Amino acid sequence: DTAVSQTPKYLVTQMGNDKSIKCEQNLGHDTMYWYKQDSKKFLKIMFSYNNKELIINETVPNRFSPKSPDKAHLNLHINSLELGDSAVYFCASNTGGRWDEQFFGPGTRLTVL
Amino acid sequence: QKEVEQNSGPLSVPEGAIASLNCTYSDRVSQSFFWYRQYSGKSPELIMSIYSNGDKEDGRFTAQLNKASQYVSLLIRDSQPSDSATYLCAVIHGSSNTGKLIFGQGTTLQVKP
Repeated sequence: DTAVSQTPKYLVTQMGNDKSIKCEQNLGHDTMYWYKQDSKKFLKIMFSYNNKELIINETVPNRFSPKSPDKAHLNLHINSLELGDSAVYFCASNTGGRWDEQFFGPGTRLTVL
Repeated sequence: QKEVEQNSGPLSVPEGAIASLNCTYSDRVSQSFFWYRQYSGKSPELIMSIYSNGDKEDGRFTAQLNKASQYVSLLIRDSQPSDSATYLCAVIHGSSNTGKLIFGQGTTLQVKP
């Protein structure tokens, strides 16, 4: 299936731990994104990469570090997890054109205890 | 002022009625506008995009854009219970070439049989 996939789907961890979320798209898109959706369902852009180059870097704690080994993959590493990091994290991709639809992955629900 | 504003609802309509969802945005130079639907526990999926003033119809959905009023709306005709979801208005930020989508907080639609 052509899609945006994320692993894991659920992540439960303790405060202070370090965790990673992986994203892969097989749509041939050039641009990938990370969004955070909080408990009030507000969806906010965090990062974007275009052909492995960081092009959007919103005001997020530097505990969050995206990594793009190639244009089909964009991973999110989070250090020293805090309670407030609990949210659903969505990966998305598009061709990179500003007019283009962004296709979203299924999301990763992160719970920090 | 929020960059993209929606009434969070819930908006409740009877089956077969027209549901009207509204959105205002603050950045006057925004050019691209999208409506996403998000079912509970699922990822956002695009249902309409609109770039020019006026109406754009796709099946039971009509998007309306008024750039002078900085207003975009979504009409759903013949509403079905399966339309019950959160509808997210999203705007490409200003003159951005990076595809930075700014989302509203979403309107919850309930279609009652």
